[in-house]
Amino acid sequence: NAGVTQTPKFQVLKTGQSMTLQCAQDMNHNSMYWYRQDPGMGLRLIYYSASEGTTDKGEVPNGYNVSRLNKREFSLRLESAAPSQTSVYFCASTGRQNQPQHFGDGTRLSIL
Amino acid sequence: AQRVTQPEKLLSVFKGAPVELKCNYSYSGSPELFWYVQYSRQRLQLLLRHISRESIKGFTADLNKGETSFHLKKPFAQEEDSAMYYCALMRNTDKLIFGTGTRLQVFP
Repeated sequence: NAGVTQTPKFQVLKTGQSMTLQCAQDMNHNSMYWYRQDPGMGLRLIYYSASEGTTDKGEVPNGYNVSRLNKREFSLRLESAAPSQTSVYFCASTGRQNQPQHFGDGTRLSIL
Repeated sequence: AQRVTQPEKLLSVFKGAPVELKCNYSYSGSPELFWYVQYSRQRLQLLLRHISRESIKGFTADLNKGETSFHLKKPFAQEEDSAMYYCALMRNTDKLIFGTGTRLQVFP
C-alpha cells in the first residue's frame, strides 16, 4: 500500500497564479488533513475533513480552499498564490478517533 | 488555550550521550500526546504515543500530568537519530496541535 500520496512533490509559482495540490490515501480513512510546515512554526492545520462531504477550517485557512472529492481524495487549492504561502505542505489521514495520523511525503511550494 | 511548547529549537549531542527532548503542553482535558519524527527530506512518522507506553528505537516518553510534560528520552544517542522531532497534542479526538519542533543533531 502507498499510504498517503501527494502530488506534485515540488512546484514553483508566480504571485497570483493558481494551483491545486492533490492528496490521496488508500487506507480507507475517514479523516484527512492539510498542514503547512514553516521553519520555527512547526506544522499548522489549514483545513481538515472529518468524513466524505465535510470540510472545516483549521488554524490558518485564509488563502486556501479544499475539496473532499471522495473518501480517498482531498485537494488543496490556492486561488491566487502569494509569497507568504511558500511552504512545505503535508497531507495526512486517520481512520478512527484518537488514532495517529499518517502523513504524505509533502509538497514543497515556492511562490515568487 | 491549547498549546504545545518545545523550548529547544536545536539539541546537539555526541554519539552515546543521553538525550532528552522537552515537551510541555497546555490542555484542559485528558491529553492524548504523540511524538512524531521527520528524518531529512522524509515524511513525518509516528514515533511514540503516550498510551502505548512502549519504547521505539530506544526512545521512551512519560506523561507527567503534574508538570504537564511529555519529554522524549533516550539513554544513548545514535547518529541515525538525527532528525526533527515534533511533540503533538490531540484535540477533540481527531485534530493535532504540533509544537514548533526540535532538531536533534548527533555527532560521531
